[in-house]
Amino acid sequence: DTGVSQDPRHKITKRGQNVTFRCDPISEHNRLYWYRQTLGQGPEFLTYFQNEAQLEKSRLLSDRFSAERPKGSFSTLEIQRTEQGDSAMYLCASSPYASAEAFFGQGTRLTVV
Amino acid sequence: AQSVAQPEDQVNVAEGNPLTVKCTYSVSGNPYLFWYVQYPNRGLQFLLKYITGDNLVKGSYGFEAEFNKSQTSFHLKKPSALVSDSALYFCAVSAIGFQKLVFGTGTRLLVSP
Repeated sequence: DTGVSQDPRHKITKRGQNVTFRCDPISEHNRLYWYRQTLGQGPEFLTYFQNEAQLEKSRLLSDRFSAERPKGSFSTLEIQRTEQGDSAMYLCASSPYASAEAFFGQGTRLTVV
Repeated sequence: AQSVAQPEDQVNVAEGNPLTVKCTYSVSGNPYLFWYVQYPNRGLQFLLKYITGDNLVKGSYGFEAEFNKSQTSFHLKKPSALVSDSALYFCAVSAIGFQKLVFGTGTRLLVSP
């Protein structure tokens, strides 16, 4: 296992379209996180899963955003009716337990035109 | 609510000189503190963490950080900087339960030959 994998690496979409990103965490990591990073800012927390349960969602996660982690393995993040303000790097991370460091993927860069 | 401040947007240091990247935090209860580094076109990489115990924490690539509870600081240090240390450094804090990491805005470290 070479680490956290995210797909696609880049996505350009027109405003109003739906997009879906995938994250494959490190095997047997039961915690999975989604963050968003814009230029000049640190990553901002979006949501996290403990196995298949989504335990916390940020206020940043509007009703256009939905995340799933079926069977506690990979996760998807969907953005419906994209807006230009959604343009950012979307980062996924996983960790084996609560106090462990999180391992980050390389991210999916979304550009909404 | 927890927060992190990185007061310097950029730190410049000559190769071979010691470096310090500053971080202060605010959290209710005991803090759990992390440093990550981000190289261009690469994901965030974990450097070190403080959970409990010794105030001086040693991490990857010769970096260390000192937890100072009275000053609510967790500064990152290295005795002798390398040009290859040039990157974007993020401090992050988590509260009890590790639901999420809250990141600072990052400090760009530039090490000149």
